[in-house]
Amino acid sequence: EDQVTQSPEALRLQEGESSSLNCSYTVSGLRGLFWYRQDPGKGPEFLFTLYSAGEEKEKERLKATLTKKESFLHITAPKPEDSATYLCAFRFSGGYNKLIFGAGTRLAVHP
Amino acid sequence: SAVISQKPSRDICQRGTSLTIQCQVDSQVTMMFWYRQQPGQSLTLIATANQGSEATYESGFVIDKFPISRPNLTFSTLTVSNMSPEDSSIYLCSVEIGGVTDTQYFGPGTRLTVL
Repeated sequence: EDQVTQSPEALRLQEGESSSLNCSYTVSGLRGLFWYRQDPGKGPEFLFTLYSAGEEKEKERLKATLTKKESFLHITAPKPEDSATYLCAFRFSGGYNKLIFGAGTRLAVHP
Repeated sequence: SAVISQKPSRDICQRGTSLTIQCQVDSQVTMMFWYRQQPGQSLTLIATANQGSEATYESGFVIDKFPISRPNLTFSTLTVSNMSPEDSSIYLCSVEIGGVTDTQYFGPGTRLTVL
C-alpha cells in the first residue's frame, strides 16, 4: 500500500539550531513529492516540489532533498516565525492528480 | 499561483442539517479538489470536482453525503449533508492551475463544528 510517514511528529528547536525533518514513502511510480507549510487555522502553503532522486530545492532557510525512499526538509538557523506544521505529500503513477499526505511535523522554534 | 477564497470561514451547525461551502478562484483552473482535515490529523482527499460532469469520489466518500458542484472553471461547492458530530473538521479546497506545473494550491479552509 502506498503511504508516507513523517518524523518526528513534533520538534522543538532553539532559534538558530539547525535540524531536518524526514518524509519517507513507499510508492511505486513516484510522480512528485511536495512540501507544504501549515499555520494554525490556515490552509497549507506550498513550499517545494521534487520529482527525481538527487533533486534539491531551496527557499530562504529551507532546503528540500529527495532520495529514492525519502525526502528531507532541512531548516538552517531557524527563526520563531518558522514555527508551523510541515506536511509532505506525494503523487504516484496511476493516482491521477491525487495527493497523499503525511501526518506532518509540528515545529516550534523558541527565541 | 492563484488566490483562493472559501465561504464560510467557519460555522457551527446542528446535527441533521446541511452546510454548503463555496470555493472561488481568481483565475480559471483545470482541476479543483476538496479535502477534509479532521482534528489533529492530516489531509484526506474527498473528491475531484469536475467541470461539467459528476465529481470523482475517493473510497469512503459518497455523493449523497458530500454532493459537489462545479459550474465553471473558477467556482465549486461542497455540501456536507445530514451532519453528525463526526463531520466536525476543516474542509479545504485546492486547485491545480495546469500547464507546466502540477502543484496544488489550497484555500484557507472552512472550520465546521457539528453539535
